[in-house]
Parts: sequence; C-alpha cells; structure tokens
Amino acid sequence: DQQVKQNSPSLSVQEGRISILNCDYTNSMFDYFLWYKKYPAEGPTFLISISSIKDKNEDGRFTVFLNKSAKHLSLHIVPSQPGDSAVYFCVVGGGSQGNLIFGKGTKLSVKP
Amino acid sequence: EPEVTQTPSHQVTQMGQEVILRCVPISNHLYFYWYRQILGQKVEFLVSFYNNEISEKSEIFDDQFSVERPDGSNFTLKIRSTKLEDSAMYFCASSFWSGGANIQYFGAGTRLSVL
Repeated sequence: DQQVKQNSPSLSVQEGRISILNCDYTNSMFDYFLWYKKYPAEGPTFLISISSIKDKNEDGRFTVFLNKSAKHLSLHIVPSQPGDSAVYFCVVGGGSQGNLIFGKGTKLSVKP
Repeated sequence: EPEVTQTPSHQVTQMGQEVILRCVPISNHLYFYWYRQILGQKVEFLVSFYNNEISEKSEIFDDQFSVERPDGSNFTLKIRSTKLEDSAMYFCASSFWSGGANIQYFGAGTRLSVL
C-alpha cells in the first residue's frame, strides 16, 4: 500500500547544480503536500509545503512543483549546497485529523 | 526556537516488558502525534491526540499501545508488552493546526531496541 512513492532511493549532485527530487502519489483527494528533510540522529524537519490548489511554491533555494493531473510533485533545490545532504521525505496530508503519510525518502548527497 | 523534546534517546528492553516513551511537545501546540520508523522502512503514523483524547489511530496502534497526556506538558506512548517487532525509532510530533497544511514539528526520536 504505497500511497506516496519516491522511486529514487538516492541522488548525488555536484555543489552549485540543481537537485530535483521526485514523488508520485495515488490519491487525488490529498489536500496538501510537504517536504521534510532529515539528518542522521535528528527528527524530520519541515522544509516547504504546497496546497493542492496551487502548482508552485517557492522559498529561497527551494521550489516545489505540483502536477495534479499526473499526481506528481517535485522539489527543486538550486543551487545545491553540501549542507543540503540529507534524506528528503515527500509527505502528504489531508485526513480529518491531520496525520501525515510519508514516502520512503530520497537520500541526497551534494558533493563539493 | 521551541522544539519537541523526546526522552530517552535510546531505550533497550527485554521482550514482554513495558516501556514508556516520553515527549514534551511545543507549548502552544494543540495536536500531538506518534510515528515510528522501523529500520529501512517508511515513517508510519501511529496515533493522533487532540483535546485530551485519541482522534485517530492506525492499524499498528493495537491494544498493546496507549497514549497519555498526564499533565500540561508531557505526552507519553506506552507499549504494554513489547515484542521484537516493536524495535524501531519512535518520533513524537506536535502542531498548531488551524486549517491549511498541518505542519508538524518532530522530536529527535527514541530508538527502542527490544531484545
């Protein structure tokens, strides 16, 4: 039962280049989508969100794109920095009690 | 900056023993959650808590699990009789959700090892 799929377990990018992390979901009823990042020995940290009624949200170096017809979202990080190296989780929400559904995560490595 | 605090960071227990995992959510938050992540697997929702009662729970959250908010600051997860398969990282989260995206803030987690 994979409602949220992150098909790339890992991604390696050179510092200064763009990182693109992808996510697919199955349920068109989700209200909002979030990206969390996680460093080792820490909990997930909120990064950016997007409502289902929008197709783009930008916050500094981070931009999330939502394609509802394709049930696909992506996170762009530009320029990538070594400190961005972490596991990135695609997360969806929309239940009446607000619980979040996580993807498996993509481990991003940004090389200097 | 306010943060969610979890103790202990690592708990080792024998199968069949009871464990209590503790969390101090962010003080003005109203919604509280427990999630777990078994090694190599997804972060999975366990339970949500609002207005002093469970508002939703997953299939994982069976009769062996319970939650409590014993005072105004702590939020605990109790596992009554631990099994080997309960070994996981347990994350507490809290939010102040007034509509829109429910942005939850997570603690650093408690690693539970059941031997």
